[in-house]
Amino acid sequence: AQSVAQPEDQVNVAEGNPLTVKCTYSVSGNPYLFWYVQYPNRGLQFLLKYITGDNLVKGSYGFEAEFNKSQTSFHLKKPSALVSDSALYFCAGRGNYGGSQGNLIFGKGTKLSVKP
Amino acid sequence: EAEVAQSPRYKITEKSQAVAFWCDPISGHATLYWYRQILGQGPELLVQFQDESVVDDSQLPKDRFSAERLKGVDSTLKIQPAELGDSAMYLCASRPTPSGTGERPQYFGPGTRLLVL
Repeated sequence: AQSVAQPEDQVNVAEGNPLTVKCTYSVSGNPYLFWYVQYPNRGLQFLLKYITGDNLVKGSYGFEAEFNKSQTSFHLKKPSALVSDSALYFCAGRGNYGGSQGNLIFGKGTKLSVKP
Repeated sequence: EAEVAQSPRYKITEKSQAVAFWCDPISGHATLYWYRQILGQGPELLVQFQDESVVDDSQLPKDRFSAERLKGVDSTLKIQPAELGDSAMYLCASRPTPSGTGERPQYFGPGTRLLVL
């Protein structure tokens, strides 16, 4: 069965420090991977995606993510956290095999808290 | 910037009543999704449309849930009768047709938060 795991329920970071939100995946075939952010009582906003190519993907609001095939990971990173980055972050993925594509599977989410 | 529209934003109902949610995707997006997000969890797919056709409704509880996208544009998700366990956020998302450069992301609406009493 395909799955996306976010091992941390919450990540706490001081403003100005680097942040990492972890994600690992298990999908069939080549992975398509995404990060979304959700603010309270709002829908999910797309941050970035990995389809193919460079392992370091740059996205919105200064976020980036590193794809690591050997570790089946796709961790979200930002060099310098802002208080306004505090939100719920979701990793999502699906596999691409032989022209078929599965449904997008979401992790359970990681709450990021950035303190001043 | 175009957005996915959903209404209502909040809905309180009593169990056994019927409820309906509406979604208007971004113009030109052929694929539309309905997700259910239980508090503290990630979204789970209920149904996927390609234009007016259902592509995947394998996770839709068909005894009480129904979804339609009659003209291939906006969509309605209905629950009848509602149960206490249906309390959740219902999210609609749309996606443009994948381009030659590859996969396109899904774009989500603000959601409808349902509380069943």
